[in-house]
Amino acid sequence: EVQLVETGGGLIQPGGSLRLSCAASGFTVSSNYMSWVRQAPGKGLEWVSVIYTGGSTAYADFVKGRFTISRDSSKNTLYLQMNSLRAEDTAVYYCARGSSGGSYFHFDSWGQGTLVTVSS
Amino acid sequence: DIQMTQSPSTLSASVGDRVTITCRASQSISSWLAWYQQKPGKAPKLLIYKASSLESGVPSRFSGSGSGTEFTLTISGLQADDFATYYCQQYNSYWTFGQGTKVEIK
Repeated sequence: EVQLVETGGGLIQPGGSLRLSCAASGFTVSSNYMSWVRQAPGKGLEWVSVIYTGGSTAYADFVKGRFTISRDSSKNTLYLQMNSLRAEDTAVYYCARGSSGGSYFHFDSWGQGTLVTVSS
Repeated sequence: DIQMTQSPSTLSASVGDRVTITCRASQSISSWLAWYQQKPGKAPKLLIYKASSLESGVPSRFSGSGSGTEFTLTISGLQADDFATYYCQQYNSYWTFGQGTKVEIK
């Protein structure tokens, strides 16, 4: 059974840093595209970042230069390093697995999410 | 960037109703469109992918159609468990979500 468990959220002051983790089981994180998606309180879903099977990465413009996605195959875990945090980064952050096969990938499994609150 | 626009934003319906939600892309995305259901405090759940393919385990009352820039999600015979927020998502170029449609009890 595929399972994704996010940890690392919490309250952080503006300008601070936080690292989120997403522990995967039931599959290998390096074998699928893996993404982070966020949802601000009462708002919709926003794609944040992706790490491709080959290791290359991409980011939404609103986090480019501040956030870094990575993975550790030995721990089967996905990470999101968040620096220079702003109040508008306050959201629940979900990790999501890209579907297998083909050239276009929707998200077929999601974690339960971890809340990041940026406030002084 | 590809923008996704859903309508309506809120929909009031009764159990047993047939419900249709529309999603429009700002440019052609072929059939690279997914639909997700989200309940309060929970993660999104995949319902439909590639515009009309039903995810395993999802009830057959859910169906999707469309291609290019116009897509629909239909729930045939709304059940109590279906009251939730629904999001479309394009995955033709990176990933973009619609703003969501909340299906509430009439």
